[in-house]
Amino acid sequence: EVQLVESGGGLVKPGGSLRLSCAASGLAFINAWMNWVRQAPGKGLEWVGHIKIRADGGAVDYAAPVKGRFTISRDDSKNTLYLQMDSLRTEDTAVYYCATAGFKTGYYYYDFWGQGTLVTVSS
Amino acid sequence: DIQMTQSPSFLSASVGDRVTITCRASQGISSYLAWYQQKPGRAPKLLIYAAFTLQSGVPSRFSGSGSGAEFTLTISSLQPEDLATYYCQQFNSYPHTFGQGTKLEIK
Repeated sequence: EVQLVESGGGLVKPGGSLRLSCAASGLAFINAWMNWVRQAPGKGLEWVGHIKIRADGGAVDYAAPVKGRFTISRDDSKNTLYLQMDSLRTEDTAVYYCATAGFKTGYYYYDFWGQGTLVTVSS
Repeated sequence: DIQMTQSPSFLSASVGDRVTITCRASQGISSYLAWYQQKPGRAPKLLIYAAFTLQSGVPSRFSGSGSGAEFTLTISSLQPEDLATYYCQQFNSYPHTFGQGTKLEIK
């Protein structure tokens, strides 16, 4: 059974930093493209970014609102995905989910999701 | 960026009703579309990918159709456990944008 467990959320002041982790089990993590999605309180889902596998160059893409402030990385030896968040703003307040990317017949989708971790940016 | 627009934003229906949610893309995305169900306080769950392919384990009352820029998610006979918010997501190009969601209420 695939399990994704996020951790590291909490309360942080504007301008501060936080690092989220997503521990994966039950899958070949080294072969999994991984994603971060967030959801502000009472709002919809927002794509944050993703990281490809090392075999595909390990490329990373970010949404415009977080580019230059957030960094996605992975440690395949620990089956763990990270989201380093710097220069946090109040509008970054959200539940952050990690999700695996599935592929079938050329199509892409997010098939497994963690339970999410809440990040609150407030003074 | 590709904008995804869902309609309606809110829907109230009775058990047994046929329910349809529409998702429109601001440009053509072929069939690179997925649908998710998010129940209150829970993570999203994949229902459909490639516009119409049902994810394993998802009840057959859910179906998807469309291609290009207009897509639909249909629930053929609404059940009480279908109370949730439904989202579409495009995978044609980055960023992989979501629709704003359709909140489904059971009358």
